[in-house]
Amino acid sequence: AAGVIQSPRHLIKEKRETATLKCYPIPRHDTVYWYQQGPGQDPQFLISFYEKMQSDKGSIPDRFSAQQFSDYHSELNMSSLELGDSALYFCASSWAGPGELFFGEGSRLTVL
Amino acid sequence: AQSVTQLGSHVSVSEGALVLLRCNYSSSVPPYLFWYVQYPNQGLQLLLKYTSAATLVKGINGFEAEFKKSETSFHLTKPSAHMSDAAEYFCAVSLGRGNEKLTFGTGTRLTIIP
Repeated sequence: AAGVIQSPRHLIKEKRETATLKCYPIPRHDTVYWYQQGPGQDPQFLISFYEKMQSDKGSIPDRFSAQQFSDYHSELNMSSLELGDSALYFCASSWAGPGELFFGEGSRLTVL
Repeated sequence: AQSVTQLGSHVSVSEGALVLLRCNYSSSVPPYLFWYVQYPNQGLQLLLKYTSAATLVKGINGFEAEFKKSETSFHLTKPSAHMSDAAEYFCAVSLGRGNEKLTFGTGTRLTIIP
């Protein structure tokens, strides 16, 4: 069965650079979620989109932005990167049927 | 708002012994509850979920959990620990269908003693 696809899987950036993460949800899933997991931390909700509109917002820094496109894939844009942005970023998708999130493998961002 | 509390950030058990990882929840509506496992440098794998059906839920790798409304608990158990169970375990809660956003607990690191 198709899963949530995230790219890139690994990304290394310098401070103050910009990074873009991509997420391709499971076909026919209408909601996408982004989570950030710092080293030794639990995943923290950043933002979600339902039918290409922002549906909820969590602890997402103002330097970050995200959107969902017409083909339902989503991108998380991170600017002015800081050392503290180094983390594993998860994307998840859902539809209302099973009532659960389906997670991708994550994108590991390292900021040097 | 909903939240989960995991008691014990680190749990060590001997190989073959009972595994018990504790999770208590707080929710304004009947919750959906989940347990995830995360191996080092890997993603989140769903172990099991409670979605308002049977209160005793069986998952993968021999794990199970029981939803106890009176105790607001959803503890994870496994009768006999295996070395391969060493990992980080997260309890999570959502408001269910149509509102699947998860709120995670702080995690419990399970160590298996040979």
